Amino acid sequence: DIQMTQSPSSLSASVGDRVTITCRASQSIGTYLNWYQQKGGKAPNLLIYGASSLESGVPSRFSGGGSGTDFTLTISSLQPEDCAVYYCQQSYNIPVTFGGGTKVEIK
Amino acid sequence: EVQLLESGGGLVQPGGSLRLSCAASGFTFNNYAISWVRQAPGKGLEWVSGISGSGGSTYYADSVKGRFTISRDNSKSTLYLQMSSLRAEDTAVYYCAKGNKQTLRLGVFDIWGQGTRVTVSS
Repeated sequence: DIQMTQSPSSLSASVGDRVTITCRASQSIGTYLNWYQQKGGKAPNLLIYGASSLESGVPSRFSGGGSGTDFTLTISSLQPEDCAVYYCQQSYNIPVTFGGGTKVEIK
Repeated sequence: EVQLLESGGGLVQPGGSLRLSCAASGFTFNNYAISWVRQAPGKGLEWVSGISGSGGSTYYADSVKGRFTISRDNSKSTLYLQMSSLRAEDTAVYYCAKGNKQTLRLGVFDIWGQGTRVTVSS
């Protein structure tokens, strides 16, 4: 199975800060890496697919990058509504696997 | 509107069985793979099982293989998860998640249901 490792597990930043979350795969997955946002125990919501493509309706302050084994999710200017847990997920191989999540809070 | 609506969760004793359903609307159901993803209390997301759009291919996490069975009725636009030999560690919110392709591999979960809670306890 492909292991997905996210860091940090949590972070606290101020409104307007640039925030970066990293995700590392245990083997190369090309760009088959997706990011999800989960707020307050609700269902996850797709943010980024194919490592860098923004899902329709997602604010442009979110961006993704990387390929192979190392990926990033960046929020260019953190907003209060971005408080959530963020998960990366690979679909290169089955079983599909998720990272452990990164909790983002406002300082 | 594209929508997934899960049902069937509840309290069940260890060793018991439960069947979850996920009713889909707003899209051509048999064109897309669909998965079950669960989240134990206070934990992260865990993919449980997936099925291709045609229903011809099914996949399971090792943690549920041999105990859970995924199926779909494309005539009813409904996904199912038959769960048996349930354990305390199966306690979680179970989400159905629509893929963006016929096949599970290389896909993306673009629509999620609101989840149904399963509690395994005596």
